[in-house]
Amino acid sequence: DTGVSQDPRHKITKRGQNVTFRCDPISEHNRLYWYRQTLGQGPEFLTYFQNEAQLEKSRLLSDRFSAERPKGSFSTLEIQRTEQGDSAMYLCASTLTGTAYGYTFGSGTRLTVV
Amino acid sequence: GESVGLHLPTLSVQEGDNSIINCAYSNSASDYFIWYKQESGKGPQFIIDIRSNMDKRQGQRVTVLLNKTVKHLSLQIAATQPGDSAVYFCAENRSNFGNEKLTFGTGTRLTIIP
Repeated sequence: DTGVSQDPRHKITKRGQNVTFRCDPISEHNRLYWYRQTLGQGPEFLTYFQNEAQLEKSRLLSDRFSAERPKGSFSTLEIQRTEQGDSAMYLCASTLTGTAYGYTFGSGTRLTVV
Repeated sequence: GESVGLHLPTLSVQEGDNSIINCAYSNSASDYFIWYKQESGKGPQFIIDIRSNMDKRQGQRVTVLLNKTVKHLSLQIAATQPGDSAVYFCAENRSNFGNEKLTFGTGTRLTIIP
């Protein structure tokens, strides 16, 4: 296992289109997080899962955003009717409950809405 | 409100010198802090963490200092190398094992001058 994988690395979409991103966490990690990062800013929390349960969602996560982790392994983040303000880096991270280390982040998916 | 902020947005250091990156936090309930390094096009990479019951923690060439009295965190990098050039974020967490959501600061861009 080489870490947290995210796909695609880059996505360019037209405004109004739907996009879906995928995250594959480290296999033994039971918690999975989504963050959004805009240029020059730190990552902002969007949501997280423990196994397949979505435990918390940020107010940043409008009703156009939905995340799933159906089998407690990989997760998807979908954005419907994309807007230019959705352009950002979407980061996924995972960790194992009870460990003393910070999360392991993936390299992110860079979304550009044109 | 709750925030984690950084004192300086940019820092340039001569190769071989030591660097210090500072961070202020406002939530006195924070009990776990992490420093991340982020290189261009990559996700944040864990550097070092510290719990609120500690004042100092050392890693390889890095030291984190925590002053709870003034809610201040610093990252010291010794004998800087070109590969240390990156954006550095501090992040706070209210779970002692760092498994809840992180709140990130804006970041400091560290440039190592050869």
